[in-house]
Amino acid sequence: KNEVEQSPQNLTAQEGEFITINCSYSVGISALHWLQQHPGGGIVSLFMLSSGKKKHGRLIATINIQEKHSSLHITASHPRDSAVYICAVSGAGSYQLTFGKGTKLSVIP
Amino acid sequence: SQTIHQWPATLVQPVGSPLSLECTVEGTSNPNLYWYRQAAGRGLQLLFYSVGIGQISSEVPQNLSASRPQDRQFILSSKKLLLSDSGFYLCAWKSYGRSTFGSGTRLTVV
Repeated sequence: KNEVEQSPQNLTAQEGEFITINCSYSVGISALHWLQQHPGGGIVSLFMLSSGKKKHGRLIATINIQEKHSSLHITASHPRDSAVYICAVSGAGSYQLTFGKGTKLSVIP
Repeated sequence: SQTIHQWPATLVQPVGSPLSLECTVEGTSNPNLYWYRQAAGRGLQLLFYSVGIGQISSEVPQNLSASRPQDRQFILSSKKLLLSDSGFYLCAWKSYGRSTFGSGTRLTVV
C-alpha cells in the first residue's frame, strides 16, 4: 500500500511570497495529482503529472519519479490561494488513489 | 470533454434520516468509479469502488452503501445516518489512467 506524506501540514505566508508544498510517496506510481480544496469543501483538480513539470498560471508542479517526490509551487502568492492542497497518487495497475492529509495554506495580505 | 457531476455541494441531515448522494460522469464509458470520505482532520479515505454496472466493492465496513444502476451513475446511500457520517464526500472516476474528481459534498449530520 502506498503511503503519501505531505509537508508542511500548515503553512502561513505573506502575500507575494513564493510557496512550496511537498509530497512524498513510498511505492512507484502511474500518476500524481494535486488538488485544491477551498474552505467550503469543493475540490478542484490542479495538476495530474507522471513526469517532469507542469505550469498553470502562478502554479508549478514538479515530480521526481526516482526520488518518489513531488512539489507544488505557488509564485507571488495571494490571499485567494488560501486553501487546503492535497496530493494524491495512483499506483500502476491499482484501482484506487491514495491521498495525503493535505497542507493548509493561509496567505495573509 | 470528460466531466463529473456531484450534488449537492452541502447537506445538513438529522441523525437517523436517509442519505442519497449522486454522481454522474460524462465523456467516458465504463469508467472505474469511486466514493471517498474525508472526516475532520483526516485525509480522504476510499469507501467504495465500482468497475461496472452493479459491481460494488467496499473498502471500509460502515453505515453506508453504494450502487451503480447505470454505467455513468454512482450513488452513495444510507438508511439511517449517524453523527459519525459527517464529513466531506468525494466522487471520482478513473479511465485509461486518468482520474477526474467531483467537487464534493460536505455532509453535516445533526
